[in-house]
Amino acid sequence: DAGVTQSPTHLIKTRGQQVTLRCSPKSGHDTVSWYQQALGQGPQFIFQYYEEEERQRGNFPDRFSGHQFPNYSSELNVNALLLGDSALYLCASTWVGRHEQYFGPGTRLTVT
Amino acid sequence: AQSVTQLGSHVSVSEGALVLLRCNYSSSVPPYLFWYVQYPNQGLQLLLKYTSAATLVKGINGFEAEFKKSETSFHLTKPSAHMSDAAEYFCAVIPTGANNLFFGTGTRLTVIP
Repeated sequence: DAGVTQSPTHLIKTRGQQVTLRCSPKSGHDTVSWYQQALGQGPQFIFQYYEEEERQRGNFPDRFSGHQFPNYSSELNVNALLLGDSALYLCASTWVGRHEQYFGPGTRLTVT
Repeated sequence: AQSVTQLGSHVSVSEGALVLLRCNYSSSVPPYLFWYVQYPNQGLQLLLKYTSAATLVKGINGFEAEFKKSETSFHLTKPSAHMSDAAEYFCAVIPTGANNLFFGTGTRLTVIP
């Protein structure tokens, strides 16, 4: 049973560029959440998707956007990258109505 | 606003000693509570969860946590530390009516041989 997978593992971008991160949820899960974890900090909630709709959003600017596909996989897009966007981006999945979330290994984004 | 506080950003214990990692939550209504572990350069792994079924929750790898409403606490314990327990531990909460996790700032556990 495959767990949550994310790609790519690492990514280096330049300020002002755009980036797309991808996530496949754990088999059977239909809800995907994205979190940003800055170095030395706890993860912070970006947004959650269910039935291809953004269900809830954290305190992140509109530069952060997402999408969920019919197969429940998801993308996180960040436009106009800033140095402060450098972080580990974590995807988590669950079933709707359940509360425990299962995390992928993350994508390490470095903005130079 | 809902939050969790983890007391002690770094905790060191000797191998075989008791592990105690502290977490307090702020809420008038008991939320859903979780402990996650993060090994270096990895994602988060769910250790255990409290969802009001029982106040003493057993998790993986010999960890357990006790929910104490009177103290608004959800401390994580393990009777005997192992070298493989060295990692970052995060307490997290999902407030009633919400769907997302709010994380504490984490506690780095070091196990001394």
